[in-house]
Amino acid sequence: DIVLTQSPLSLPVTPGEPASISCRSSQSLLFSNGFHYLDWYLQKPGQSPQLLIYLGSNRASGVPDRFSGSGSGTDFTLKISRVEAEDVGVYYCKQALHNPLTFGGGTKLEIK
Amino acid sequence: QLQLQESGPGLVKPSETLSLTCTVSGGSISSSSYYWVWLRQPPGKGLEWIGSIYYGGSTYYNPSLMSRVTITADMSKNHFSLMLGSVTAADTAVYYCARRGLTTPPFWGQGTLVTVSS
Repeated sequence: DIVLTQSPLSLPVTPGEPASISCRSSQSLLFSNGFHYLDWYLQKPGQSPQLLIYLGSNRASGVPDRFSGSGSGTDFTLKISRVEAEDVGVYYCKQALHNPLTFGGGTKLEIK
Repeated sequence: QLQLQESGPGLVKPSETLSLTCTVSGGSISSSSYYWVWLRQPPGKGLEWIGSIYYGGSTYYNPSLMSRVTITADMSKNHFSLMLGSVTAADTAVYYCARRGLTTPPFWGQGTLVTVSS
């Protein structure tokens, strides 16, 4: 199984400051079509997970442009250029290249 | 507009079978462009993939659940279903259905809470 390791586990951020979350995979997530099958989700308190980024770097519809995804192979990063109060919650990465699909353990972003 | 709606009993007794259906509107489950997924999240815990069903009926299950899981699709009703047998309290979770394509963004339903309790 592909293991996804997220860091940090907890991320206290001052509003207006940038934030970065890492997701490292135990295997490359690059498919033969050139896409990386790595998604990012945000689960706000009491809500279902919402898609932020798919295929490594594609922002989902309606997601603010302060969110961006990057990376290749086994190392991926989610960046928030300027954190807002509404960004609090748990961030998950997920790989969809190999079955079983697997998730990272989550990173909890909180406002300082 | 694509919508996925999970439905089924919110309460299941231990040792019985959990059965959920995901009704798809705004898209066809018989499309070869997508595959269909079940996931779950126990209260206060992380997300877990249960299994997927592909065009043509091929299925893949999480090895940790494989002995108890069956996913089927009904093209005439445009829905797909999950059956999880011999449930215990550890199967209490919010269950989600989702659609995944090769290059299109994944799309999830809102989820439904299933509690296993006598």
